[in-house]
Amino acid sequence: EVQLLESGGGLVEPGGSLTLSCEASGFTFSPYAMSWVRQAPGKGLEWVSSISGSDESTNYADSVKGRFSISRDKSKNTLYLQMNSLRAEDTAFYYCAKDSGWQLFYFDFWGPGTQVTVSS
Amino acid sequence: DIQMTQSPPSLSASVGDRVDITCRASQNILQYLNWYQQKPGKVPKVLIYTATSLKGGVPSRFSGSGSGTEFTLTITSVQPEDFATYYCQQTYSGGTFGGGTRVEIK
Repeated sequence: EVQLLESGGGLVEPGGSLTLSCEASGFTFSPYAMSWVRQAPGKGLEWVSSISGSDESTNYADSVKGRFSISRDKSKNTLYLQMNSLRAEDTAFYYCAKDSGWQLFYFDFWGPGTQVTVSS
Repeated sequence: DIQMTQSPPSLSASVGDRVDITCRASQNILQYLNWYQQKPGKVPKVLIYTATSLKGGVPSRFSGSGSGTEFTLTITSVQPEDFATYYCQQTYSGGTFGGGTRVEIK
């Protein structure tokens, strides 16, 4: 059974940093692209970043480019999101999502998410 | 980023009605367009991928059409369990979502 479990969320002050983790199990982690998607309270889905399963190429939404960094450790079956220079508008529930293929195609499994709150 | 515009933002429908939701891309995305359903307190679930392909296990009353910049999700006879929020997503360049369409019971 595919399982994704996010951790690392919490309360952080504006300008601060936070690293989210997503531990994957129940499937072979290496070949698949992985992504982060966020959802602010009562709002829609916002794609944040993706990393491919092949060459580990990355891409980012304009709203986080230069501040967030996605990475993966295939030996630990874990996806990361390093978030720097956090802003109030980064407050959201952050989901880890598995892609159906080695590059962005469609998300077939999602984790339950972790809450990030940016506030002083 | 490629911008995705969904319409309408919300709609009311009766059980058995046909529902059409439109998604427009700011540039040609070929058929790299997916549709998700999200119910309150739940994670999204993919319904349609590459514009027209029905995900296994999804009822056949759901269908997708379109290519290029204009796409449609159709529910031919909406059922009580279909009342939810629907999102389109392009994966031609990055993975941007549309703003969502909330389908409510009339």
